[in-house]
Amino acid sequence: GAVVSQHPSWVICKSGTSVKIECRSLDFQATTMFWYRQFPKQSLMLMATSNEGSKATYEQGVEKDKFLINHASLTLSTLTVTSAHPEDSSFYICSARGGGQLNTEAFFGQGTRLTVV
Amino acid sequence: GQQVMQIPQYQHVQEGEDFTTYCNSSTTLSNIQWYKQRPGGHPVFLIQLVKSGEVKKQKRLTFQFGEAKKNSSLHITATQTTDVGTYFCALGGDDMRFGAGTRLTVKP
Repeated sequence: GAVVSQHPSWVICKSGTSVKIECRSLDFQATTMFWYRQFPKQSLMLMATSNEGSKATYEQGVEKDKFLINHASLTLSTLTVTSAHPEDSSFYICSARGGGQLNTEAFFGQGTRLTVV
Repeated sequence: GQQVMQIPQYQHVQEGEDFTTYCNSSTTLSNIQWYKQRPGGHPVFLIQLVKSGEVKKQKRLTFQFGEAKKNSSLHITATQTTDVGTYFCALGGDDMRFGAGTRLTVKP
């Protein structure tokens, strides 16, 4: 099946710094990418949806200036957590969906565990 | 956007027992997808249901889509320890929202 690579798998940063998370589709063109946040033992909360070349659509309550999403190419989307604070600590996971026969299921990255200290 | 409610939140079964998780929506769904997330892992696609009243099977897993396309269920027959994980339903549209998930634990 299609592969989505997310990097880094974990990161620890100081409060006030910014962290960039990358999500790459390795063997298909991802027309749509989704970013989620998942708290321990909870569901995946959709943060935003991004289509290549256009601005991301953010879910209600998600600060677009704090969680910057860029989908510059059909194989790469990035999420930047700006001025991170301890309450931003969480598991962030991306998924990608392609076109044609790949326009059904979403393929997930491995996730990034962010700890802000 | 559309939302789905998923129950139960947790289910603990003895190995060999059956398991069912349900998703419900107040609005008609164009389709519904099911994913499984193993502990420490990422969600993996299981299936998509599109047609009213659709029933699909994957070995011991049976997926159903209601006649009104407002509810869906995943049933596992004779659970095994390898079935452990969280099962999510998801809306497979432009914005992929997930249900709360049902965490399944299986006692050997």
